[in-house]
Amino acid sequence: NAGVTQTPKFQVLKTGQSMTLQCAQDMNHEYMSWYRQDPGMGLRLIHYSVGAGITDQGEVPNGYNVSRSTTEDFPLRLLSAAPSQTSVYFCASSYLGLAGGFTDTQYFGPGTRLTVL
Amino acid sequence: AQKITQTQPGMFVQEKEAVTLDCTYDTSDPSYGLFWYKQPSSGEMIFLIYQGSYDQQNATEGRYSLNFQKARKSANLVISASQLGDSAMYFCAMRPTGNQFYFGTGTSLTVIP
Repeated sequence: NAGVTQTPKFQVLKTGQSMTLQCAQDMNHEYMSWYRQDPGMGLRLIHYSVGAGITDQGEVPNGYNVSRSTTEDFPLRLLSAAPSQTSVYFCASSYLGLAGGFTDTQYFGPGTRLTVL
Repeated sequence: AQKITQTQPGMFVQEKEAVTLDCTYDTSDPSYGLFWYKQPSSGEMIFLIYQGSYDQQNATEGRYSLNFQKARKSANLVISASQLGDSAMYFCAMRPTGNQFYFGTGTSLTVIP
């Protein structure tokens, strides 16, 4: 099993450019999420999805867009990159479990290090 | 409100000694899971241990154990017999019903030879 894969691993953008960070999982997980990690701030949730066609905002959604057309894929789009979006981005997935679930861990991708100049 | 607090930005421990990393949480949901993750300098996030809110016994996984005190809303990670490879960032997380995970800001652990 590949688990959770993310591409690219590194990316440099200029202010105003747009791009898509790819995320895929092969574990048939219903739940998928995107986080950004900044020094001293832990992981902050950007967007998440509980299944194909269903997405919702997390703590820091501004400037980002997501869609979930399949169970496997959950791309993150940066609409117009800003220096404040310089960060490490993690995609993660998990089972939902019964009744919304609270017993299942997330599995993380390797991360994408994004720099916006 | 859902919140996870890790009050130790950095910790040091001598090799082969035990260390406790603190985590407190806040939730009004009666059902929740508590998780610890390790992030070595290479950057990947590694799942270590899980504790459910209804579990009567503290979780253990090898050298890792979770000291769960429900009334105090604390879920401290205990690493026994520390090894140099334990040097990493450690994150506490909570998952109430409703799917979202909530993360603390992390504790940087350094194991001294």
